[in-house]
This record gives sequence, C-alpha cells and structure tokens, in this order.
Amino acid sequence: EVQLVESGGGVVQPGGSLRLSCAASGFIFSNFGMNWVRQAPGKGLEWLSYISSSSSTIYYEDSVKGRFTISRDNAKSSLYLQMNSLRAEDTAVYYCASPQRGITSYWGQGTLVTVSS
Amino acid sequence: DVVMTQSPLSLPVTLGQPASMSCRSSQSLVHSDGNTYVNWYQQRPGQSPRRLIFSVSKRDSGVPDRISGSGSGTDFTLKISRVEAEDVGVYYCMQATHWPPWTFGQGTKVEIK
Repeated sequence: EVQLVESGGGVVQPGGSLRLSCAASGFIFSNFGMNWVRQAPGKGLEWLSYISSSSSTIYYEDSVKGRFTISRDNAKSSLYLQMNSLRAEDTAVYYCASPQRGITSYWGQGTLVTVSS
Repeated sequence: DVVMTQSPLSLPVTLGQPASMSCRSSQSLVHSDGNTYVNWYQQRPGQSPRRLIFSVSKRDSGVPDRISGSGSGTDFTLKISRVEAEDVGVYYCMQATHWPPWTFGQGTKVEIK
C-alpha cells in the first residue's frame, strides 16, 4: 500500500521556521519527482514546489521563492520542506504529492502549519 | 500562469439526479506532446484531495463509471450521472500542461438538497 505521511507541522510565530517531512512507502520513491501543495483554511489548493527524482531540478511558486527550500533523501524515502520567514498567510495544511500527469496519483494526509503570535 | 475558472462554485443536487460542473482555462491546455493534462479531484470534508480523472477523461482506479470527464482545448466538464451521498465534497480541476506551476480551479462545492 502506498503511503505518504507528512509531519513537522505546528504553531510558529511570524518570522519563525519549520521543517516539514514526508515519509514515503509502498512505491519506489527514488523514481519519482515530488511536490508540495498547500491549502489555507477554507480555501483552495496551491502548488508550492517540485523536486525531481535526482534533486537536479527544483521549482518554486513565486510567493515562497527565497523563503522555502525543498529537498529529499532517497535513501530514507523522504521529502522535506524547510520553511523560513513564515508569515500569517502561510497558515495552511501542507500536502506532499507525487506527479499528477500519469496513471498514479499519491497524496499525503497533510500537516497543519499555523503562523500566529 | 494559467488561470483555471470553475463554475458553479456551489452545486446543490438531488440524490439520484445528474450533476455537471465546468472548468475553463485561460489558454489551451494541449501539450506539445499532444496530451491534455487536465485532472479532476474530489476532496471530502477533512480529507486529502483524491484524483478522479486524469488527462481530461481517464478514470482513476476505483472511480465509479457514473463519474466522467470530457472537454478539449480550454473547456472541460466533470459529470456525475447519478449523485450519491458519498459524492458530497469539493471538486477541483487542475492543469499540469503548462507547468510549473500546477494551477487549480477555485473548487465546486457539491451538496445534497
């Protein structure tokens, strides 16, 4: 069974940092590029970042560029998102997700990040 | 970036009746490889998104055949032939043709009358 399990969310003050993790199992993680997507409370879905299978290609959505860093450890089948300089508008559930063009579509259950003083 | 516009934003439906929702993109979603990468997702309350349809009209594994996707170019539609209680939730279209970024529609909320 394929599983993506996010962790690392919590409450953080504006300007603070958090590191999210996504543990993958049930598929060959090292063969897949991976993404982070977020959803603010009561709002829609927003793609944030992509990393290729070898980490050679990385993309970011403009609003997080320079503040968030995506990375992965294929030996641990894990994906990460380092989030710095957090703002109130970063409050959201953060999902890791596989590429969505092909026949497979994997999403985690999400981890909630709340930025508040 | 490609803008995806869904309508309606709210869709009250009667059990057993059909439902249809639309998604329009700000530019053609035909990729240079000839494919059109438009997906539909269902998000039930408190759950992660679940993909129902990929590449406009291909159903994901386990998706009932009363759910179907269609369209081309810039206009796409998701139809439920007979709504069941389990269909309640928010439905999002997404394009993965002109990427990055993936872009999503605002969502259509399906509720039972």
